Amino acid sequence: SQQGEEDPQALSIQEGENATMNCSYKTSINNLQWYRQNSGRGLVHLILIRSNEREKHSGRLRVTLDTSKKSSSLLITASRAADTASYFCATDLATGGFKTIFGAGTRLFVKA
Amino acid sequence: DTAVSQTPKYLVTQMGNDKSIKCEQNLGHDTMYWYKQDSKKFLKIMFSYNNKELIINETVPNRFSPKSPDKAHLNLHINSLELGDSAVYFCASSHFDRDSYGYTFGSGTRLTVV
Repeated sequence: SQQGEEDPQALSIQEGENATMNCSYKTSINNLQWYRQNSGRGLVHLILIRSNEREKHSGRLRVTLDTSKKSSSLLITASRAADTASYFCATDLATGGFKTIFGAGTRLFVKA
Repeated sequence: DTAVSQTPKYLVTQMGNDKSIKCEQNLGHDTMYWYKQDSKKFLKIMFSYNNKELIINETVPNRFSPKSPDKAHLNLHINSLELGDSAVYFCASSHFDRDSYGYTFGSGTRLTVV
């Protein structure tokens, strides 16, 4: 399996519900980032959380990081139809040099 | 608008042809990247340039040649295109120290080789 695996692969919820996506990784990281990708578009950076941080908020987004479990979660509260997209986590590895690994994404569908 | 812009958005070409994709960023970033996204949505780094110098070159066929005339531009030239090259190619940029801001991506170039 790959560094930065999202779970679930796909999620379908009703508008107004909360959506939770998880990301697991294998090796030590400097930071973990979450991105959104709308169909046919590029990835948009949502939140970056550093390895010494445990939780960050941005509007309706809440990201947690548990380095002991090598996992992160992205919570979208009060979801809207416009939140329909794929969500990717990306881990910046703590090894020397450049290495950022993207997961395969969670496809979120929010039904109006 | 401040952005990463890449052209063309769509590219359909025959096997064996040579094609180029251009990328420009006006964000003042010093590092630029090419990523390939396959049909299963996996995003893989291909190349990275910092201040016009190649710093990352993953196991990409040498038919792919990046060129960075200055730190605001990173173009991708592909020779002798093959069916397996069909994918969406994303250009991205960042500050070299990515511990604060993450990446900014272009909107992608969908390459179809027929």
